[in-house]
Amino acid sequence: KQEVTQIPAALSVPEGENLVLNCSFTDSAIYNLQWFRQDPGKGLTSLLLIQSSQREQTSGRLNASLDKSSGRSTLYIAASQPGDSATYLCAEGTYKYIFGTGTRLKVLA
Amino acid sequence: DGGITQSPKYLFRKEGQNVTLSCEQNLNHDAMYWYRQDPGQGLRLIYYSQIVNDFQKGDIAEGYSVSREKKESFPLTVTSAQKNPTAFYLCASSMPRGSGANVLTFGAGSRLTVL
Repeated sequence: KQEVTQIPAALSVPEGENLVLNCSFTDSAIYNLQWFRQDPGKGLTSLLLIQSSQREQTSGRLNASLDKSSGRSTLYIAASQPGDSATYLCAEGTYKYIFGTGTRLKVLA
Repeated sequence: DGGITQSPKYLFRKEGQNVTLSCEQNLNHDAMYWYRQDPGQGLRLIYYSQIVNDFQKGDIAEGYSVSREKKESFPLTVTSAQKNPTAFYLCASSMPRGSGANVLTFGAGSRLTVL
């Protein structure tokens, strides 16, 4: 059974830092890996989706990579800003989406 | 604009009552999902549907029921058999596997509180 883990559970960084969020999955036979952002009390907003045949995707200051052999995906955020403060979740999508528990990020001004 | 609409945003239920959460999408997506989120936890799948008139149980289906009579709509009923229903409920949709980049799109959520 697929399990998705995100470490750390919480992260606090000063504004301007580059940072990496981690997502691990136990079954490498994935269809895709998607990263989301969730603000308090809100729904999830899709950030990046990586198909199993791809190694990375980029959108603005965000870059997501996928290494199926090691069961890992990382979300890189460049030049972090206070507006990036949110919870970031990853999800592995095969027939249904399995979510990690998220990393709660706080960027300090 | 295309999207997913969940209603109501906030709902209060007395013990023993059934309540229904609405989820409507105009994205022309075939697949729809219901997730439950508890404080400090990830999302857990309740039910999902890949096509009209068909749905499957997720990991925590007990005490919940769904229907999929129209492509656009996937309502969730929280029955009195659900012993701990207070949570944040999220509806999502996507194109089915094999149709390309099947981005999972979410609604804004419905917060259910049992009084």
